[in-house]
Formats: sequence, C-alpha cells, structure tokens
Amino acid sequence: SQKIEQNSEALNIQEGKTATLTCNYTNYSPAYLQWYRQDPGRGPVFLLLIRENEKEKRKERLKVTFDTTLKQSLFHITASQPADSATYLCAPESNNNDMRFGAGTRLTVKP
Amino acid sequence: EPEVTQTPSHQVTQMGQEVILRCVPISNHLYFYWYRQILGQKVEFLVSFYNNEISEKSEIFDDQFSVERPDGSNFTLKIRSTKLEDSAMYFCASSEERNSPLHFGNGTRLTVT
Repeated sequence: SQKIEQNSEALNIQEGKTATLTCNYTNYSPAYLQWYRQDPGRGPVFLLLIRENEKEKRKERLKVTFDTTLKQSLFHITASQPADSATYLCAPESNNNDMRFGAGTRLTVKP
Repeated sequence: EPEVTQTPSHQVTQMGQEVILRCVPISNHLYFYWYRQILGQKVEFLVSFYNNEISEKSEIFDDQFSVERPDGSNFTLKIRSTKLEDSAMYFCASSEERNSPLHFGNGTRLTVT
C-alpha cells in the first residue's frame, strides 16, 4: 500500500539555523510533490511544488529537493525564525484524485 | 486573494444526529475536497469531487457520509448518525486542476457529545 513517512514527529532547532525535514514515500511514482504548512487550528497552506525533472526548487528561505531514485524529498528552511514554527506536511502526487498527506513534522524554532 | 470559506467554525451535536458542514470553494476552481483531522493526528483524505460527482473516496468515507454541490457555489459534507469518534476538524479544499495546489478553508470543528 502507499505510504508517506516524514521524519520525526517533532524537530527543535535554534533560531538562525537551517531546518531540514524529510519526506519518504513508497508505492508512489509521483511526477511532483507538494509541501504545505499547517498552524494549530488552521487549514494547511501550500508552500512549494517540485516536479520530478527539477532537482531543487527555492522560494525565499525555503528550498526543496526531490530524488525519485531515493523516493525522497527534503525541505529546508534557512536562517530559521520563531515564526517558522509550524507543522510541515508533504504530499506526493497521486495517480488518483486523492491527494494524501504525510503525518507532518512539527518544527519549533527557539529564539 | 480569494479564499475557501467554511461554516460554521464550530458545531456541537449530540450522538446520533445529522450535521451538514458547508464550504464555499474558490469560484473558478473545479475540484473540491473534504479532509478530516482528529485532534493531534494527521490530515486524512475523505473525498474528492469533480464535475458534480465523487471522484475518489477513502476507506473512511462510508455510507455515513455524503457530499453535495447543491448550487454553483456551495459544497457540503453531510454526516448522518454522528458518533463520538466523528469529533474532529473537517477541512474543505479546492483546486483549479487535478493535483494542483489545494486551497484550504480554516475548518469546522465538530464536537459530538
């Protein structure tokens, strides 16, 4: 069956450091993968989409990589700030119209 | 920027009652979704809807649930005979195309007592 695994439920880092979050998937062959941010009590918010022919995608302090051989995407936040504290979700493309999310990684950036 | 709106923000109901959760997707979007998030757990896919019919549904979406697009703007989720375990946040989302980025509403918190 299809699985999406995101590393560690929680990640704590110091302000200014780079946060790296991992998304691994099995039994998917996604042409692209999406990352979302979710704050407590709110709906997820789309951040980035990376396609299989893109090694890397950047948006401001965010960087995403996508390795279809390893079946893995890495999500980096550089120069992290306390305002980056949230849960980050990944979603590989599905062949069906049923976008599913990983369980998420809860990032806490300490001042 | 256009947004997905959901009403009510919080619904309390007694076990066994029926509830209807309402959503107004972004107007030019063609794909609509419902997700559920039990407190402290992951966001779970329930159902997708396109061209006035269900496109995909998960194993959670059984006969207790139904969706409808009663007019050109609303998209509803009906839950019949609610159970305690139906207590959760229910998120509506819409997208322009299949598998394009989803735009989520801020959810309806359903509490079944």
